[in-house]
Amino acid sequence: DAKTTQPNSMESNEEEPVHLPCNHSTISGTDYIHWYRQLPSQGPEYVIHGLTSNVNNRMASLAIAEDRKSSTLILHRATLRDAAVYYCIPANSGNTGKLIFGQGTTLQVKP
Amino acid sequence: DTGVSQDPRHKITKRGQNVTFRCDPISEHNRLYWYRQTLGQGPEFLTYFQNEAQLEKSRLLSDRFSAERPKGSFSTLEIQRTEQGDSAMYLCASSFRGGGSNEQFFGPGTRLTVL
Repeated sequence: DAKTTQPNSMESNEEEPVHLPCNHSTISGTDYIHWYRQLPSQGPEYVIHGLTSNVNNRMASLAIAEDRKSSTLILHRATLRDAAVYYCIPANSGNTGKLIFGQGTTLQVKP
Repeated sequence: DTGVSQDPRHKITKRGQNVTFRCDPISEHNRLYWYRQTLGQGPEFLTYFQNEAQLEKSRLLSDRFSAERPKGSFSTLEIQRTEQGDSAMYLCASSFRGGGSNEQFFGPGTRLTVL
């Protein structure tokens, strides 16, 4: 399983962009890069995933380095509801698809 | 379909008692996962089903833990002879195998407190 490194915590002001980095230098060639987040007192929820190309959806954007050893989750305009723990998880859906969660990054959003 | 549901949401038990949790996945999902989360930590994988077959169990899962998914629908997780160290949030997730992402949908969890 690929090891990930994320900052323990980050702060952002409301309505400003947030860039959440993740290092996954041991990622295998078939692993997708998944991002999940966990709001207080809730189960994790899927945010976005990608393999090689940058990806956008209604929640966020995912920028993947060319060598795939790192990625950045981008929240374009942080809101108070985005305060959560964000997990970066390399995973291969072709196998079991199990998710190996690290410590994640706790994002605080200030009004 | 309203998503993954778990029952009960909270369970308080005395050490040595048996407890059973239930998970109802999203109906068309063929994969089901159990995770455990303790305070301040990320969720830890416990076990995984594809349809009714239990295909992987974590080494974290002691012999006191057993999971079933009869008929490939709902799943139960039983803990026998509970210990204080079993106190945690137990999360269930489901997904559909097909496509690249295997996006998992999580339930709200069952919080277990062992006294």
